[in-house]
Amino acid sequence: NFMLTQPHSVSESPGKTVTISCTGSSGDIASNYVQWFQQRPGSAPTTVIYEDNQRPSGVPDRFSGSIDRSANSASLTVSGLKTEDEADYYCQSYDNGIHVFGTGTKLTVL
Amino acid sequence: EVQLEESGGGLVQPGGSLRLSCAASGFTFSNYAMSWVRQAPGGGLEWVSAISDSGAMTYHADSVEGRFSISRDNSKNTVFLQMNSLRAEDTAVYYCAKDGYLVWGQGTLVTVTS
Repeated sequence: NFMLTQPHSVSESPGKTVTISCTGSSGDIASNYVQWFQQRPGSAPTTVIYEDNQRPSGVPDRFSGSIDRSANSASLTVSGLKTEDEADYYCQSYDNGIHVFGTGTKLTVL
Repeated sequence: EVQLEESGGGLVQPGGSLRLSCAASGFTFSNYAMSWVRQAPGGGLEWVSAISDSGAMTYHADSVEGRFSISRDNSKNTVFLQMNSLRAEDTAVYYCAKDGYLVWGQGTLVTVTS
């Protein structure tokens, strides 16, 4: 079964830049769109990146997404970190009609 | 405003059934596929089921295949999740989401316990 693996946790200081990876277990991650979601404790997920690198309206341009075909991975980069960015982040993609979520990454801003 | 509102969660015994609903507003519901995603306490997001815009095609995760069924009523802008033969491991918050996951509901809690 296709899986998306993320680092369990990352931490960085306010104002810095952090990148969260999402690595596919097989195939070509570039063959399907990747989405990224932010989830704060006690709240529903919200989308920060869709279709690999598109930002929904209202999401600051500090959030960006990219694909690295050579590593079969997607990345979410958050620049100019703010304390409000502290949350869990999940990637998501597809495999033959099946929706697959990444393992999730806890971002700590300290 | 685009909105999704889930309902139907609650407490149920192992082996029991529950039907979740998700009412959509603010967009042309019949033009979009819909999905259900769940999150166990302290766990990550897990895709459960998806249905095409017309309802002709449905997809389910292996973990719920044969027990859960997704359906929709485009005249009522509502998507459903029929959950049968419930197990303790089905305990989770269940979210519905619009095609592409750009819009999520607030979730409804399902607790399976004796």
